[in-house]
Parts: sequence; C-alpha cells; structure tokens
Amino acid sequence: GQSLEQPSEVTAVEGAIVQINCTYQTSGFYGLSWYQQHDGGAPTFLSYNALDGLEETGRFSSFLSRSDSYGYLLLQELQMKDSASYFCAVMANSGYALNFGKGTSLLVTP
Amino acid sequence: DGGITQSPKYLFRKEGQNVTLSCEQNLNHDAMYWYRQDPGQGLRLIYYSQIVNDFQKGDIAEGYSVSREKKESFPLTVTSAQKNPTAFYLCASSTRGGRDEQYFGPGTRLTVT
Repeated sequence: GQSLEQPSEVTAVEGAIVQINCTYQTSGFYGLSWYQQHDGGAPTFLSYNALDGLEETGRFSSFLSRSDSYGYLLLQELQMKDSASYFCAVMANSGYALNFGKGTSLLVTP
Repeated sequence: DGGITQSPKYLFRKEGQNVTLSCEQNLNHDAMYWYRQDPGQGLRLIYYSQIVNDFQKGDIAEGYSVSREKKESFPLTVTSAQKNPTAFYLCASSTRGGRDEQYFGPGTRLTVT
C-alpha cells in the first residue's frame, strides 16, 4: 500500500524559516506534491517535485530525494498568513488521483 | 473567471436521507475528483473520473455514488448506506491525471443528524 508521514504540528516565529518533512512509501512513484489549506478553505497547490533536488518558488521551496523516499517543504520569511495546514501527496497506484498525508498544522506566532 | 464551484457550502440532513452535492468546473479539465476530509485528517479519495461517462472508486467509495454525464459536472450522492457521512467534502479537477496540479472547490460541509 501507500503511506505518507509528516509531523502533525509545527510552530514557528514570524520571520523565521520552517521545514516540514514528508516520508512516503509507494510503488510506481512519479513525484511529490505539496498543498496548503487554510482553516475551512480549499487546498491550493504549492509545488510538485518529480526529480531529486530543490525547487524554489518565492518564499517557498520544496525538496525531493527519491532514493530516501523523502521530501520537505521549506518556508522562509514566515508571515502570519502562512499559518495553515500543509499536505504532501503522491500519485495513487491508479495513476490518476492523489494520496494525501494527514497534514502538518503550522502556527506562526508574533 | 475559471474555477470550480460547489454548492451548497453547508448542508444539513436527517439520517436515512440521500443527499447530492454539486460540483461544476469551467476549466475544461478532463479529470475530476471527490475527497472527504474529517477533522485533523488528510483528504481521502472517494471517486474520480478521467473522462465523461467513466469513473472509478477511490479508497472510501462505500455508501457514495457519482455520475459524469457532462465534462463540467461531477455530482456526488451520499446515500443512507454511508455509516458516517458528516464531513467536509471537496471536489477537485485537473487537466489530466495525478501529475498535474489539482484545483479544488470551496467544499461542502455536510452534517447528518
């Protein structure tokens, strides 16, 4: 089967850097996605890594190591609005839908 | 503006009643999905459809049914057979399969008492 593990909660101070880790077990791996969800809202896409290495998009970066079945999301210059849940996801065995982790709740404090 | 709409945002039903949740997209996406989210949990896949008139069961399809008669629409029916239907339901779409970014609707919060 498939499984994704990520920390349930992380707290960080405004302006700091935080890293949210994700380890996965899956067959037929294609890539790792990250989504952000504010409380009660819709998840929004942040990034997708198919190859090893770091992808940077503004304040957010995402890293993948296929050999370690591991990835992380790095958030820099944290802002209060970054307080949200962050989900890692891998493609399901069907090849069409996504399997999501349980999410990491990030709280940014002043 | 292109996007996904779900209606209603909040829905209340009595136990034993079937209820249909609406999902419409004007993004011209082929693939559409239904997920269920419970408090403090990730998203779990109920059904997905890659193309009109075709759909597949996800991990938790029991007690749910769907149809895909039009490319733009993918309604979900929560039947009385679903043992624990109270949840937040999210619809999503993408251009193709799971490698592509999924666009989510605002969700429907269903409460069954």
